[in-house]
Amino acid sequence: NAGVTQTPKFQVLKTGQSMTLQCAQDMNHEYMSWYRQDPGMGLRLIHYSVGAGITDQGEVPNGYNVSRSTTEDFPLRLLSAAPSQTSVYFCASTKGYAGYEQFFGPGTRLTVL
Amino acid sequence: GESVGLHLPTLSVQEGDNSIINCAYSNSASDYFIWYKQESGKGPQFIIDIRSNMDKRQGQRVTVLLNKTVKHLSLQIAATQPGDSAVYFCAENLGGTSYGKLTFGQGTILTVHP
Repeated sequence: NAGVTQTPKFQVLKTGQSMTLQCAQDMNHEYMSWYRQDPGMGLRLIHYSVGAGITDQGEVPNGYNVSRSTTEDFPLRLLSAAPSQTSVYFCASTKGYAGYEQFFGPGTRLTVL
Repeated sequence: GESVGLHLPTLSVQEGDNSIINCAYSNSASDYFIWYKQESGKGPQFIIDIRSNMDKRQGQRVTVLLNKTVKHLSLQIAATQPGDSAVYFCAENLGGTSYGKLTFGQGTILTVHP
């Protein structure tokens, strides 16, 4: 199993540009989440999904959209990038029951100029 | 706030010492608590978890203690090794349909000197 994969690893955008961060998992996990991590801080939840076709907002959803058309994929879209969205983005997945760990991808480092 | 996040607590120990990393959690309704290790440039890696109906759980070289009365969680690492150097985060979860939603603490930087 590849686990949780994210692309791209690095991205530089100009203010106002849009882009999609890709996330895929091959563990047949129902639950998938997107987090952002700012320097010297813990991760904050952006959006999450409990299954295909079902998404919900997290703590910091503004400026981001998600969709979940398949179990495997959970892309994160930045609609109009702003410098405040400069961060490292992590995707995670889990089976969704107590005692089953959440697996994190390697992250995408995004800089918005 | 942002200024607090830029000054993570730090713990510096000698190789072979025991380490204790502390965390105060925020939600008394949280059912599930997890410790993660994050090495530079990588995603968080699961270490150990504990349910709210327990007060202690042991793993390999690690022990997690939960004190619900004061909403405090600790991670004890026995015989700390240089490879344990990383940032350690606690996270909490409400359980049920919220297993995909973690609330993270700000983290502690552990440095192990050979």
